[in-house]
Amino acid sequence: GNSVTQMEGPVTLSEEAFLTINCTYTATGYPSLFWYVQYPGEGLQLLLKATKADDKGSNKGFEATYRKETTSFHLEKGSVQVSDSAVYFCALKPTNQGGSEKLVFGKGTKLTVNP
Amino acid sequence: DTGVSQDPRHKITKRGQNVTFRCDPISEHNRLYWYRQTLGQGPEFLTYFQNEAQLEKSRLLSDRFSAERPKGSFSTLEIQRTEQGDSAMYLCASRKWQGGEQYFGPGTRLTVT
Repeated sequence: GNSVTQMEGPVTLSEEAFLTINCTYTATGYPSLFWYVQYPGEGLQLLLKATKADDKGSNKGFEATYRKETTSFHLEKGSVQVSDSAVYFCALKPTNQGGSEKLVFGKGTKLTVNP
Repeated sequence: DTGVSQDPRHKITKRGQNVTFRCDPISEHNRLYWYRQTLGQGPEFLTYFQNEAQLEKSRLLSDRFSAERPKGSFSTLEIQRTEQGDSAMYLCASRKWQGGEQYFGPGTRLTVT
């Protein structure tokens, strides 16, 4: 079946530190991959996405590259800010044509950035 | 475009009571999804609609759960005879059928005492 495994948190960093949150997936075919972010008290927001192998998604200084050979989609940011404190979810959308295209999520990684 | 809205944002109920949540999707979004998120977990798919048709239901959606989208616009999710295990955040998302991403609402946090 389809599944997503995320690096367990919580992760605590100092401002301007480098961030990596690991994400690996299991899926048939060529799923689309996503990172969602959930700020305290808010709903999920799409952070970035990639739809095929070697694609790089980027947004707000965050990046992730779709690596089919390692079935990974690790999230990175070169210099985190306090405002990046949130829970980050890796997700996939299976490639089943005509299906629901429901998202399959990892468990989430809580990031806290201290000033 | 006001985004996906959900009502109520918080609901506290006693075990055995019925509760109903509402989701208003982004206008012209044909597809509407319900997910459940328990503490420390990622969202899990419950069901989805294309217009007014409910096309898929997860095994997580027991007989006590029912969802409707009668006019293909807003949707309701009802839980009958609530149990403590139903305590969770219930998320709604919508998207266009022709593609595009799922946009999530703020969720309804249910606490069953």
